[in-house]
Amino acid sequence: NAGVMQNPRHLVRRRGQEARLRCSPVKGHSHVYWYRQLPEEGLKFMVYLQKENIIDESGMPKERFSAEFPKEGPSILRIQQVVRGDSAAYFCASSPLGVSRGGPDTQYFGPGTRLTVL
Amino acid sequence: AQKVTQAQTEISVVEKEDVTLDCVYETRDTTYYLFWYKQPPSGELVFLIRRNSFDEQNEISGRYSWNFQKSTSSFNFTITASQVVDSAVYFCALSGSSNTGKLIFGQGTTLQVKP
Repeated sequence: NAGVMQNPRHLVRRRGQEARLRCSPVKGHSHVYWYRQLPEEGLKFMVYLQKENIIDESGMPKERFSAEFPKEGPSILRIQQVVRGDSAAYFCASSPLGVSRGGPDTQYFGPGTRLTVL
Repeated sequence: AQKVTQAQTEISVVEKEDVTLDCVYETRDTTYYLFWYKQPPSGELVFLIRRNSFDEQNEISGRYSWNFQKSTSSFNFTITASQVVDSAVYFCALSGSSNTGKLIFGQGTTLQVKP
Protein backbone atom coordinates (compact mmCIF):
# COMPACT_ATOMS: atom_id res chain seq x y z
CA ASN A 1 0.00 0.00 0.00
CA ALA A 2 2.37 2.67 -1.28
CA GLY A 3 2.11 6.26 -0.12
CA VAL A 4 3.08 9.32 -2.11
CA MET A 5 6.31 8.75 -4.00
CA GLN A 6 8.64 11.53 -5.02
CA ASN A 7 11.78 11.31 -7.05
CA PRO A 8 14.49 12.08 -7.04
CA ARG A 9 14.94 12.53 -3.30
CA HIS A 10 17.93 14.75 -3.86
CA LEU A 11 18.71 16.80 -6.96
CA VAL A 12 21.71 18.98 -7.63
CA ARG A 13 21.65 21.45 -10.48
CA ARG A 14 23.91 24.26 -11.64
CA ARG A 15 22.52 27.71 -12.20
CA GLY A 16 20.70 27.90 -15.53
CA GLN A 17 19.86 24.20 -15.75
CA GLU A 18 16.40 22.70 -15.60
CA ALA A 19 15.00 20.72 -12.67
CA ARG A 20 12.21 18.17 -13.02
CA LEU A 21 10.57 16.85 -9.89
CA ARG A 22 8.20 13.91 -10.05
CA CYS A 23 5.34 12.95 -7.81
CA SER A 24 3.27 9.77 -7.90
CA PRO A 25 0.20 10.16 -5.68
CA VAL A 26 -1.35 7.50 -3.53
CA LYS A 27 -3.12 4.99 -5.77
CA GLY A 28 -6.64 6.23 -6.40
CA HIS A 29 -5.88 9.86 -5.49
CA SER A 30 -6.52 12.29 -8.31
CA HIS A 31 -5.66 15.52 -6.51
CA VAL A 32 -2.09 16.73 -6.12
CA TYR A 33 -0.68 19.72 -4.27
CA TRP A 34 2.90 21.03 -4.44
CA TYR A 35 4.53 22.93 -1.59
CA ARG A 36 7.96 24.47 -1.16
CA GLN A 37 9.92 24.62 2.07
CA LEU A 38 12.73 27.12 2.06
CA PRO A 39 15.49 26.68 4.65
CA GLU A 40 14.29 27.55 8.17
CA GLU A 41 10.78 28.27 6.93
CA GLY A 42 7.42 26.60 6.88
CA LEU A 43 5.81 25.10 3.82
CA LYS A 44 4.32 27.41 1.22
CA PHE A 45 1.63 26.32 -1.21
CA MET A 46 2.58 26.44 -4.87
CA VAL A 47 -0.02 24.73 -7.04
CA TYR A 48 -3.02 22.39 -6.92
CA LEU A 49 -3.74 20.05 -9.80
CA GLN A 50 -6.38 17.56 -10.65
CA LYS A 51 -5.86 15.09 -13.47
CA GLU A 52 -5.05 17.14 -16.59
CA ASN A 53 -6.14 20.40 -14.95
CA ILE A 54 -4.50 23.16 -12.94
CA ILE A 55 -7.04 24.18 -10.30
CA ASP A 56 -5.07 26.76 -8.31
CA GLU A 57 -1.65 28.12 -9.19
CA SER A 58 -1.79 31.18 -6.96
CA GLY A 59 1.44 30.21 -5.20
CA MET A 60 3.52 29.57 -8.28
CA PRO A 61 6.22 32.06 -9.23
CA LYS A 62 5.19 33.78 -12.45
CA GLU A 63 8.27 32.77 -14.38
CA ARG A 64 10.33 29.61 -14.81
CA PHE A 65 7.97 27.35 -12.86
CA SER A 66 5.35 25.07 -14.34
CA ALA A 67 3.42 22.00 -13.25
CA GLU A 68 1.39 19.30 -14.88
CA PHE A 69 -0.54 16.21 -13.90
CA PRO A 70 -1.25 14.19 -17.03
CA LYS A 71 -3.94 11.58 -17.40
CA GLU A 72 -1.29 8.90 -17.18
CA GLY A 73 1.89 9.14 -15.19
CA PRO A 74 3.18 11.24 -12.34
CA SER A 75 2.75 14.91 -11.65
CA ILE A 76 5.77 16.97 -12.73
CA LEU A 77 7.03 20.23 -11.25
CA ARG A 78 9.42 21.84 -13.67
CA ILE A 79 11.80 24.67 -12.89
CA GLN A 80 13.62 26.20 -15.80
CA GLN A 81 16.90 28.12 -15.55
CA VAL A 82 17.28 27.44 -11.86
CA VAL A 83 18.81 30.04 -9.55
CA ARG A 84 20.33 29.65 -6.10
CA GLY A 85 17.13 30.94 -4.50
CA ASP A 86 15.30 27.88 -5.84
CA SER A 87 17.24 25.67 -3.43
CA ALA A 88 14.59 24.19 -1.16
CA ALA A 89 12.67 21.06 -0.31
CA TYR A 90 9.71 20.49 -2.60
CA PHE A 91 6.87 18.43 -1.23
CA CYS A 92 4.02 16.84 -3.06
CA ALA A 93 0.79 15.86 -1.33
CA SER A 94 -2.19 13.93 -2.62
CA SER A 95 -5.77 13.53 -1.54
CA PRO A 96 -8.63 11.43 -2.84
CA LEU A 97 -11.26 14.15 -3.13
CA GLY A 98 -9.57 17.51 -2.99
CA VAL A 99 -12.42 19.60 -1.65
CA SER A 100 -15.92 18.20 -1.17
CA ARG A 101 -19.01 19.07 0.82
CA GLY A 102 -17.20 17.68 3.80
CA GLY A 103 -14.47 20.26 3.36
CA PRO A 104 -10.86 19.88 2.27
CA ASP A 105 -9.69 16.31 2.29
CA THR A 106 -6.66 15.30 4.29
CA GLN A 107 -3.48 15.64 2.26
CA TYR A 108 -0.84 12.94 2.51
CA PHE A 109 2.68 14.05 1.85
CA GLY A 110 5.57 12.46 0.05
CA PRO A 111 9.14 12.44 1.40
CA GLY A 112 10.09 15.54 -0.59
CA THR A 113 12.76 16.37 -3.14
CA ARG A 114 15.66 18.42 -1.88
CA LEU A 115 16.91 20.66 -4.66
CA THR A 116 20.34 22.22 -4.37
CA VAL A 117 21.40 24.80 -6.92
CA LEU A 118 25.14 25.36 -7.16
CA ALA B 1 -6.21 36.79 4.66
CA GLN B 2 -5.47 33.51 6.36
CA LYS B 3 -2.54 33.10 8.68
CA VAL B 4 -1.14 30.58 11.14
CA THR B 5 1.25 31.57 13.89
CA GLN B 6 3.38 29.18 15.88
CA ALA B 7 5.15 31.52 18.24
CA GLN B 8 7.41 28.89 19.75
CA THR B 9 10.36 28.38 17.44
CA GLU B 10 12.12 25.76 19.54
CA ILE B 11 11.20 23.85 22.67
CA SER B 12 13.49 21.56 24.60
CA VAL B 13 12.21 19.17 27.26
CA VAL B 14 13.47 16.16 29.14
CA GLU B 15 11.91 12.80 28.44
CA LYS B 16 8.64 12.13 30.29
CA GLU B 17 7.80 15.81 30.59
CA ASP B 18 4.54 17.06 29.14
CA VAL B 19 4.83 19.70 26.44
CA THR B 20 2.31 21.95 24.69
CA LEU B 21 2.83 23.39 21.24
CA ASP B 22 0.83 26.53 20.53
CA CYS B 23 -0.99 27.38 17.33
CA VAL B 24 -3.00 30.54 16.69
CA TYR B 25 -4.81 31.10 13.43
CA GLU B 26 -6.57 33.90 11.56
CA THR B 27 -9.32 33.49 9.01
CA ARG B 28 -12.50 35.23 7.93
CA ASP B 29 -14.10 31.97 6.86
CA THR B 30 -16.84 30.70 9.12
CA THR B 31 -16.02 27.16 8.07
CA TYR B 32 -12.42 26.06 8.17
CA TYR B 33 -10.23 23.11 8.96
CA LEU B 34 -7.15 22.79 11.11
CA PHE B 35 -4.36 20.24 10.84
CA TRP B 36 -1.20 19.19 12.60
CA TYR B 37 1.70 17.51 10.85
CA LYS B 38 4.94 16.10 12.23
CA GLN B 39 8.24 16.35 10.35
CA PRO B 40 10.82 14.02 11.92
CA PRO B 41 14.55 14.39 11.15
CA SER B 42 14.13 12.09 8.15
CA GLY B 43 12.19 14.91 6.49
CA GLU B 44 8.82 13.52 5.50
CA LEU B 45 5.57 15.03 6.78
CA VAL B 46 3.32 12.81 8.82
CA PHE B 47 -0.37 13.64 9.20
CA LEU B 48 -1.54 13.78 12.82
CA ILE B 49 -5.02 15.30 12.95
CA ARG B 50 -7.73 17.13 10.98
CA ARG B 51 -10.38 19.16 12.81
CA ASN B 52 -13.25 21.24 11.45
CA SER B 53 -14.38 24.53 12.94
CA PHE B 54 -17.74 23.16 14.06
CA ASP B 55 -16.24 20.52 16.27
CA GLU B 56 -14.79 22.07 19.41
CA GLN B 57 -14.46 18.85 21.30
CA ASN B 58 -10.97 18.17 22.45
CA GLU B 59 -9.37 15.05 21.03
CA ILE B 60 -7.04 12.55 22.58
CA SER B 61 -5.04 9.92 20.75
CA GLY B 62 -2.70 8.01 23.00
CA ARG B 63 -0.14 10.48 24.36
CA TYR B 64 -1.34 13.19 21.99
CA SER B 65 -4.17 15.60 22.71
CA TRP B 66 -5.50 18.68 20.99
CA ASN B 67 -7.29 21.67 22.52
CA PHE B 68 -9.42 23.67 20.07
CA GLN B 69 -10.54 27.04 21.42
CA LYS B 70 -12.56 28.96 18.86
CA SER B 71 -12.89 31.97 21.17
CA THR B 72 -9.12 32.49 21.13
CA SER B 73 -8.52 31.09 17.63
CA SER B 74 -6.14 28.51 18.98
CA PHE B 75 -5.55 24.85 18.28
CA ASN B 76 -2.88 23.70 20.70
CA PHE B 77 -1.19 20.32 20.73
CA THR B 78 -0.03 18.56 23.89
CA ILE B 79 2.28 15.58 24.12
CA THR B 80 2.06 13.80 27.44
CA ALA B 81 5.07 11.93 28.83
CA SER B 82 7.26 12.94 25.91
CA GLN B 83 9.72 10.50 24.38
CA VAL B 84 12.90 10.96 22.41
CA VAL B 85 11.09 9.76 19.28
CA ASP B 86 8.80 12.77 19.56
CA SER B 87 11.72 15.00 18.56
CA ALA B 88 10.64 16.64 15.32
CA VAL B 89 9.34 19.82 13.77
CA TYR B 90 5.60 20.17 14.23
CA PHE B 91 3.47 22.20 11.85
CA CYS B 92 0.01 23.56 12.37
CA ALA B 93 -1.96 24.29 9.19
CA LEU B 94 -5.26 25.89 8.18
CA SER B 95 -7.55 25.43 5.20
CA GLY B 96 -10.50 27.75 4.82
CA SER B 97 -13.72 27.06 2.97
CA SER B 98 -12.99 29.98 0.65
CA ASN B 99 -9.90 28.38 -0.84
CA THR B 100 -9.23 25.33 -2.93
CA GLY B 101 -8.09 23.09 -0.11
CA LYS B 102 -4.55 24.43 -0.02
CA LEU B 103 -2.95 24.41 3.39
CA ILE B 104 -1.61 27.52 5.07
CA PHE B 105 1.22 26.42 7.34
CA GLY B 106 2.71 27.99 10.42
CA GLN B 107 6.47 28.37 10.70
CA GLY B 108 6.75 25.19 12.72
CA THR B 109 7.96 24.41 16.23
CA THR B 110 11.10 22.34 16.67
CA LEU B 111 10.70 20.01 19.62
CA GLN B 112 13.77 18.41 21.13
CA VAL B 113 13.21 15.71 23.71
CA LYS B 114 16.34 14.85 25.64
CA PRO B 115 16.85 11.49 27.33
